[in-house]
Amino acid sequence: GQNIDQPTEMTATEGAIVQINCTYQTSGFNGLFWYQQHAGEAPTFLSYNVLDGLEEKGRFSSFLSRSKGYSYLLLKELQMKDSASYLCAVRDSNYQLIWGAGTKLIIKP
Amino acid sequence: GAVVSQHPSWVICKSGTSVKIECRSLDFQATTMFWYRQFPKQSLMLMATSNEGSKATYEQGVEKDKFLINHASLTLSTLTVTSAHPEDSSFYICSARDLAHRGNQPQHFGDGTRLSIL
Repeated sequence: GQNIDQPTEMTATEGAIVQINCTYQTSGFNGLFWYQQHAGEAPTFLSYNVLDGLEEKGRFSSFLSRSKGYSYLLLKELQMKDSASYLCAVRDSNYQLIWGAGTKLIIKP
Repeated sequence: GAVVSQHPSWVICKSGTSVKIECRSLDFQATTMFWYRQFPKQSLMLMATSNEGSKATYEQGVEKDKFLINHASLTLSTLTVTSAHPEDSSFYICSARDLAHRGNQPQHFGDGTRLSIL
């Protein structure tokens, strides 16, 4: 079966760095996506990786290793507004999105 | 670009009422739209995949007779919750896949509909 694992909850301090990991087992691979979702709102797109390596976008970076079925989202200079759930999703060989359960990130002052 | 409009954003109604939620792609064509449900503090749960001009594909455990999906055009899909009950109260989110697969986003999300059944 298809499976995506990410931690349920993480806590970090304002101004610090946090890494949210995601491992996946899917039928084929056509890209990995990270979304941010604030409580009561729809998900918003953060990043896309299809080749191995690091993609940097401002304070957020996303890494992919296809051979390991592994990705992480790195958030730097954490701000209180970064408190949200972070969803990892993989697009399989049928171009279907397989979603992880999400990681709730709590930022403390 | 790639805007998805979902309406209404908030619905409060009595038990037994049927509620229709619309999802429109405003600046692109979407042969495929997705309907998700999310209960408080839980992750997104895919309910069904809506395909233009054909029947929707429902996920296991989702009642097709209760959650009616219509995707009559390349820019509009509707979800009707029939005879809604308090346990149907949830946050419903639609998303659309761009026919041209423009950009790196696989799906564009609407803002969601908060449904409260009294």
